[in-house]
Amino acid sequence: GQQLNQSPQSMFIQEGEDVSMNCTSSSIFNTWLWYKQDPGEGPVLLIALYKAGELTSNGRLTAQFGITRKDSFLNISASIPSDVGIYFCAGRKSGGGADGLTFGKGTHLIIQP
Amino acid sequence: KAGVTQTPRYLIKTRGQQVTLSCSPISGHRSVSWYQQTPGQGLQFLFEYFSETQRNKGNFPGRFSGRQFSNSRSEMNVSTLELGDSALYLCASSLRLPGQAAFFGQGTRLTVV
Repeated sequence: GQQLNQSPQSMFIQEGEDVSMNCTSSSIFNTWLWYKQDPGEGPVLLIALYKAGELTSNGRLTAQFGITRKDSFLNISASIPSDVGIYFCAGRKSGGGADGLTFGKGTHLIIQP
Repeated sequence: KAGVTQTPRYLIKTRGQQVTLSCSPISGHRSVSWYQQTPGQGLQFLFEYFSETQRNKGNFPGRFSGRQFSNSRSEMNVSTLELGDSALYLCASSLRLPGQAAFFGQGTRLTVV
């Protein structure tokens, strides 16, 4: 099935650094969601975006819904060790035949001491 | 408020057998969707239910089926298991359709031997 283009695939950063990742698609989405998944657990919702151009923050996390509705980015400021994990973007098209959530392949965030 | 509950957490089955997985959504949520997560394919949409009706279905063979009960609890069934069905099966609940944020359970890790 279709997947979103999420980049980078992995990031090796130092504690305290800012992190940026993004997702792009050739299709228009009406909802963009960002999740974090720890090993052996289900994805945990971080931020939900419902409107083109919307910029939303959740603590040190900030995400934006692209104006074209074909992309979204997630920023993490001042990373800390518990930020380690895999981050997924997910998009949902409009209702009426929408195919559930479409996911990116994930960005694996590794924080070096 | 309790989160999404999936049972069992782990399951080992033999090729050719069938399996039933269970999901209890967040109280008040009426939409339940199912996803398969594998290292190679990532998160793939299986199907979505709302008010006991299947609203959307992903690109999976007919061996994969599901249902939703009047209390919004859902089950998914996989018949004639194949080795390639080994995966983490995730259930997500949403308040309603469409375009709502989805909250995931911890998943059921299915291993087919």
